[in-house]
Amino acid sequence: AQSVTQPDIHITVSEGASLELRCNYSYGATPYLFWYVQSPGQGLQLLLKYFSGDTLVQGIKGFEAEFKRSQSSFNLRKPSVHWSDAAEYFCAVAGGSQGNLIFGKGTKLSVKP
Amino acid sequence: ETGVTQSPTHLIKTRGQQVTLRCSSQSGHNTVSWYQQALGQGPQFIFQYYREEENGRGNFPPRFSGLQFPNYSSELNVNALELDDSALYLCASSPGLSGGSSYNEQFFGPGTRLTVL
Repeated sequence: AQSVTQPDIHITVSEGASLELRCNYSYGATPYLFWYVQSPGQGLQLLLKYFSGDTLVQGIKGFEAEFKRSQSSFNLRKPSVHWSDAAEYFCAVAGGSQGNLIFGKGTKLSVKP
Repeated sequence: ETGVTQSPTHLIKTRGQQVTLRCSSQSGHNTVSWYQQALGQGPQFIFQYYREEENGRGNFPPRFSGLQFPNYSSELNVNALELDDSALYLCASSPGLSGGSSYNEQFFGPGTRLTVL
């Protein structure tokens, strides 16, 4: 069955430090992969997506992610974190015959001043 | 262009009651999907509607039902509410179906926070 694993429940980084959020997926075919961000009390905002082609994907707010098929991973990175990046981050894969999204449990990011 | 909207924002119900949540899809979108996000969890797929017909369903019991209207807005109905139904309910619309080698991006609304006491 398709699944997404985000191994880190909570990460704290200092403002200005680099960030990497991990995501591993289980999917039989070529996956469509996504990273979403959710601020408290808000819905989901798409940061970036991977469908095919270049395995390094650029997104909004300075985020990027790299698809590694051999490791079944799609890790999210940012070179310098801002206090406003504090939020919950969800990795997802489009699965099922409807293309519905299968989400990981999320990683909460806290940013220290 | 108006995005996906949901109403109400918050709702409090008691066990055994019924609830209806509403979603207006983004202009030009004919497909609506509903997700349940329990506290501390990622969203889970409930079901999808395409052109007023249910087009697929996740692992949710029949007391979760829905409708889609000719203008592609949608309702989620939950009967016989249980405490575990307390969650953020997210609606997402897309400009068409996805499957196989094609994918239509889903755009999410802000959600409805349901509390069951």
